[in-house]
Amino acid sequence: GIQVEQSPPDLILQEGANSTLRCNFSDSVNNLQWFHQNPWGQLINLFYIPSGTKQNGRLSATTVATERYSLLYISSSQTTDSGVYFCAVRPYGGSQGNLIFGKGTKLSVKP
Amino acid sequence: DAGVTQSPTHLIKTRGQQVTLRCSPKSGHDTVSWYQQALGQGPQFIFQYYEEEERQRGNFPDRFSGHQFPNYSSELNVNALLLGDSALYLCASSPGPLSGELFFGEGSRLTVL
Repeated sequence: GIQVEQSPPDLILQEGANSTLRCNFSDSVNNLQWFHQNPWGQLINLFYIPSGTKQNGRLSATTVATERYSLLYISSSQTTDSGVYFCAVRPYGGSQGNLIFGKGTKLSVKP
Repeated sequence: DAGVTQSPTHLIKTRGQQVTLRCSPKSGHDTVSWYQQALGQGPQFIFQYYEEEERQRGNFPDRFSGHQFPNYSSELNVNALLLGDSALYLCASSPGPLSGELFFGEGSRLTVL
């Protein structure tokens, strides 16, 4: 089955710094989502981005589907950005409900 | 606009017992999927329900079963609980089984003693 690899696994930043999180996937996909999991466990939707570039405030994401990777950019990080960031993909032929998740990037932003 | 809601938030069971978790999808969504997230791991797909039928299933034993009601809400049942079933159980909804963004609830944290 499709493999989803996220890097780095852990990231520690000083407040105000910028960061780039990467998601590589091993096969063609027709859906890709980025999530932020808060300390209480809820998965918060950041981007629905099977291809192209999107921006939402300090966050932006780019997916290059032909090269099988996606990047999540966080600028001017804040302590509230701390948590685990997941990339999840739906391979072609799979149902929408069946997202394959990476292992996540654990981000800690220090004041 | 109500998001995905799950209940209960936390529960504790003992080995061998049975548990039922509940989920109401986001308004306008008719498809519900269930995920299990073990500590330190990404969520893993259990199954998806659409039109009151199980449409796709992940690699989980038959102890895991579900149901979808006419109002699109869903239940996840786990029988003969094992210690390894301790996890965060997440419900997600989408506007159809094949398209659209997936939205998750806050989860039900199950501890099996």
